[in-house]
Amino acid sequence: DIQLTQSPSFLSASVGDRVTISCRASQGIRSYLAWYQQKPGKAPNLLIYTASSLQSGVPSRFSGSGSGTEFTLTISSLQPEDFATYYCQQLDSHPYTFGQGTNLEIK
Amino acid sequence: EVQLVQSGVEVKKPGESLKISCKASGYSFTNYWIGWVRQMPGKGLEWMGMIYPGDSDTKYSPSFQGQVTISADKSISTAYLQWSGLMASDTGMFYCARLYSNSFIDFWGQGTLVTVSS
Repeated sequence: DIQLTQSPSFLSASVGDRVTISCRASQGIRSYLAWYQQKPGKAPNLLIYTASSLQSGVPSRFSGSGSGTEFTLTISSLQPEDFATYYCQQLDSHPYTFGQGTNLEIK
Repeated sequence: EVQLVQSGVEVKKPGESLKISCKASGYSFTNYWIGWVRQMPGKGLEWMGMIYPGDSDTKYSPSFQGQVTISADKSISTAYLQWSGLMASDTGMFYCARLYSNSFIDFWGQGTLVTVSS
């Protein structure tokens, strides 16, 4: 299985901050990486697909980059509704593994 | 409008069997993979496996192979996840999800909470 390692696992930030979350794959996954946001008690929600494509309806402050084994999710200016847990997922080869998650909290 | 509506909360005893469902609407059920994802209490997302309802091709994560069965009934646009002998460690929230072009998950069910306790 392909392992995905997110860093950091926990992140404390303030409204208006620029934050970056990394996702590293144990082997190359081309650009088959997605990012999801999950809030407590809710299903995850797609933010970014194929590494850098913004899902329709997702604010433009979210962006993704990378290919191969190194990927990044960036939130350009944190808003109160962005405090949540973020997961990356690779869909290059089955099983389609997730990263362990990054819990973004209010400082 | 694409919707995945899952069956309700389940409380079971160890050793019991269970089949939960995911009813799809608003799109052609047979043309998209449906995946299942586990989230244990307070933990992250785990990929369990997926099914292509068009031909019932099914893939399992090695971690879940032999532990669960994924199936689908295309006549009623419903996917299923079942256990033949539940264990306490099967407690968690289970989500079904639609894969778009096998490249990302674009729609999720609301989740089914399964609690296994004696």
